[in-house]
Amino acid sequence: NAGVTQTPKFQVLKTGQSMTLQCAQDMNHNSMYWYRQDPGMGLRLIYYSASEGTTDKGEVPNGYNVSRLNKREFSLRLESAAPSQTSVYFCASTGQQGGVQPQHFGDGTRLSIL
Amino acid sequence: GDSVTQMEGPVTLSEEAFLTINCTYTATGYPSLFWYVQYPGEGLQLLLKATKADDKGSNKGFEATYRKETTSFHLEKGSVQVSDSAVYFCALSDFGRGADGLTFGKGTHLIIQP
Repeated sequence: NAGVTQTPKFQVLKTGQSMTLQCAQDMNHNSMYWYRQDPGMGLRLIYYSASEGTTDKGEVPNGYNVSRLNKREFSLRLESAAPSQTSVYFCASTGQQGGVQPQHFGDGTRLSIL
Repeated sequence: GDSVTQMEGPVTLSEEAFLTINCTYTATGYPSLFWYVQYPGEGLQLLLKATKADDKGSNKGFEATYRKETTSFHLEKGSVQVSDSAVYFCALSDFGRGADGLTFGKGTHLIIQP
């Protein structure tokens, strides 16, 4: 019953450092997503991957890069972290695009940039 | 672009009270609608969904009806419990606009007092 697994759960970085957030799902889902959650803002889509080998920008992609390593894994990279990227990051997956099937979420990575 | 507006909290109720959390949306296409729930320290879990007008989603005593004429998807429960205390997010998926991912409201923090 692992579902969507995110690592690490917590991280503190200094401004300018780089970091990769990892996400893996074991539900054989095609589509995967990265969101950030900020107080009073709800969740906003950073990037998504409709299938292995494809990635697309979401609402707030600036400062991030992603890699769909294989069908199971979708990573999010911060090349030069900034305080504005302090947030809780959620990975999600779904078997089919378009909202017919719901998205399944990981427990989040809480990231602080000093 | 697409957007979701929901009542902001915190909403504080006594146990066994009736709950309504309002949600309205704007979308260019014909979206699917969702309610997600987030318990402290956890990721989002799907509570219910509706994919077409007049559909009623229901789960764990919660209900919401997709009202196209009023562009609304209000969440209701007849008798809340302390265990319902959480943050509730209304969301839509509008795949017809050519992009994937969910658009979320800002979330409503619900507090149920015994």
